[in-house]
Amino acid sequence: AQKITQTQPGMFVQEKEAVTLDCTYDTSDQSYGLFWYKQPSSGEMIFLIYQGSYDEQNATEGRYSLNFQKARKSANLVISASQLGDSAMYFCAMIGGTDKLIFGTGTRLQVFP
Amino acid sequence: DTGVSQNPRHKITKRGQNVTFRCDPISEHNRLYWYRQTLGQGPEFLTYFQNEAQLEKSRLLSDRFSAERPKGSFSTLEIQRTEQGDSAMYLCASSPQTGRHQPQHFGDGTRLSIL
Repeated sequence: AQKITQTQPGMFVQEKEAVTLDCTYDTSDQSYGLFWYKQPSSGEMIFLIYQGSYDEQNATEGRYSLNFQKARKSANLVISASQLGDSAMYFCAMIGGTDKLIFGTGTRLQVFP
Repeated sequence: DTGVSQNPRHKITKRGQNVTFRCDPISEHNRLYWYRQTLGQGPEFLTYFQNEAQLEKSRLLSDRFSAERPKGSFSTLEIQRTEQGDSAMYLCASSPQTGRHQPQHFGDGTRLSIL
């Protein structure tokens, strides 16, 4: 069975600093994808970044990068130069042999001035 | 390029009533997914369609739940004889079929409250 674990219920970071949100996963699939989504208080889920299991390079999208360590089964999200608008829930998710996303329980990030 | 659209945004109903939600996916996307999210949790998969075919249903989807996508475009999710435990955010997502592990793009969700 596939499982995503996010052990940080909440994180605080000061504006302009970098922050790392942790994610570990468990799967028996050889081919899988890892995703991060942002959910502001308004409720919509916003896709941020994707990493494929066979991708050798860590994914980057603007201020977001994914620190993928396959042997440790971790896929941590790094947000550089945090902004007040980054305050939201962040979900790690994976997709494997089936097409459904499996989500973790999320991390609430609060950015303070 | 319009995003995924869900209606209504909020639904309040009495226990025992039937409710129906609608999802309009991104027009080029032939895959459509339904998820349910309860307070403090991540979304949980309910079901998904490829065009008009319903390819997978979660065990979470009891016989009170039914989803359709009759012409491979919009989809409806109906809950019959609603119960208190059905209170949740119902999220719809869509993705193209092409490529490996395509990101799913979500709508704003329908928040259901059962009185």
